[in-house]
Formats: sequence, C-alpha cells, structure tokens
Amino acid sequence: GEDVEQSLFLSVREGDSSVINCTYTDSSSTYLYWYKQEPGAGLQLLTYIFSNMDMKQDQRLTVLLNKKDKHLSLRIADTQTGDSAIYFCAEYSSASKIIFGSGTRLSIRP
Amino acid sequence: NAGVTQTPKFQVLKTGQSMTLQCAQDMNHEYMSWYRQDPGMGLRLIHYSVGAGITDQGEVPNGYNVSRSTTEDFPLRLLSAAPSQTSVYFCASSPHSDKPQHFGDGTRLSIL
Repeated sequence: GEDVEQSLFLSVREGDSSVINCTYTDSSSTYLYWYKQEPGAGLQLLTYIFSNMDMKQDQRLTVLLNKKDKHLSLRIADTQTGDSAIYFCAEYSSASKIIFGSGTRLSIRP
Repeated sequence: NAGVTQTPKFQVLKTGQSMTLQCAQDMNHEYMSWYRQDPGMGLRLIHYSVGAGITDQGEVPNGYNVSRSTTEDFPLRLLSAAPSQTSVYFCASSPHSDKPQHFGDGTRLSIL
C-alpha cells in the first residue's frame, strides 16, 4: 500500500539551512506536498510540486524531487526561530487520497 | 474568510457516548476529508468525500460514520466512543482531490 516516511526530529542552528527528507512508495503520485504545523494549530500548506518537476523554489524554500528514488526534500534557507514546527510530507496517491508522513519536528538552536 | 470551520474545539466524552464533530467550508470545495492525528503517527485518513452525496473510507474508518448531504458540510459521527478514539481530529477541503487541502484548526477529543 501507499506509505510516506520521514525522520521524526531535526535540530539545526539558527541561520543554518534545514533539510527535511521524505520517501514515498506510490510511483504514480502526481502531486507531492509540504505542510507546516505550529503548536495547537491545523496544517498549513507550505508548497507543493508536480511530479514532472525536479525542483521548485519559493523564497527561502527549495523542494527537490527524485522520482527514480521516490525521494522528496524540503530545504529551508537561513532557518529562523519562527520555523520551529512539525513539517509533514504528503503524496496524492491513486483513489483520491492524500497520504501523510508522520511529520518531522524541527527545533532551532540559538 | 472563514475557510474550514470545525466545532467544537474541545470535547470530553465517556466511553459509549456518541457525538458528531462538525465541519463546514465556505469555499465551494468539492473534496472534503477527515483525519485523526496521534503522536508519532502523523495524520491518518478516516473518511473522505469527492462531492455531495458521495463518501468513501480511508485508512481508519472503523467506529466512525460520515455523510455529505451538502457541499458545505461534512460531519463526522462517533457511534460509541472508545478510549482509542482519543485524538485530535482535522477536517480539510480542496477544490479537487489532488489539489492542496485547507485544514480546520482541529477538534481535541478525549474519551474517558
């Protein structure tokens, strides 16, 4: 079945780049998404990439997609304290479902 | 600019009680879904709907019912609450199933 996997924790120093990785299993996925969840809140869409793209950049965010390895990454440049949150990777799979990973908790060190 | 509205925000139930979690969206979205979020398990899809009158099961549908009589509303019913259903529940909507979803703020449900 479909599955999306992420590491649970990432700690980076303020000002450094953060790279959050994700692997997925459904090779027919058309869209892949990154969501951000701050404490006590719902999920907020950060960015998404269509499966025929390799890279998408949006200000401090860069998404890289390796379809061959089914690997997706999110890079946050110049990480700030406001970037502390849980980041979810998700794929749009067949049968009209969006499957989420377990989320990566990003913490920022001063 | 209401977006996706979930009520209530918090609820405590006793085992065996039933209740309905409400979800409404004002964006005329066809696709709506319910997820539960548990620590370390991310979001798991309970039920979803691709349009009014159409619903389908997700990964963890047991113990939950849904209906979609209008485009705007997608209530989630717990038939007989169990402690294993203690979780945070999120409703989401999008114009189409593959488009990015808009999430509500969640309902925190505790079953004693």
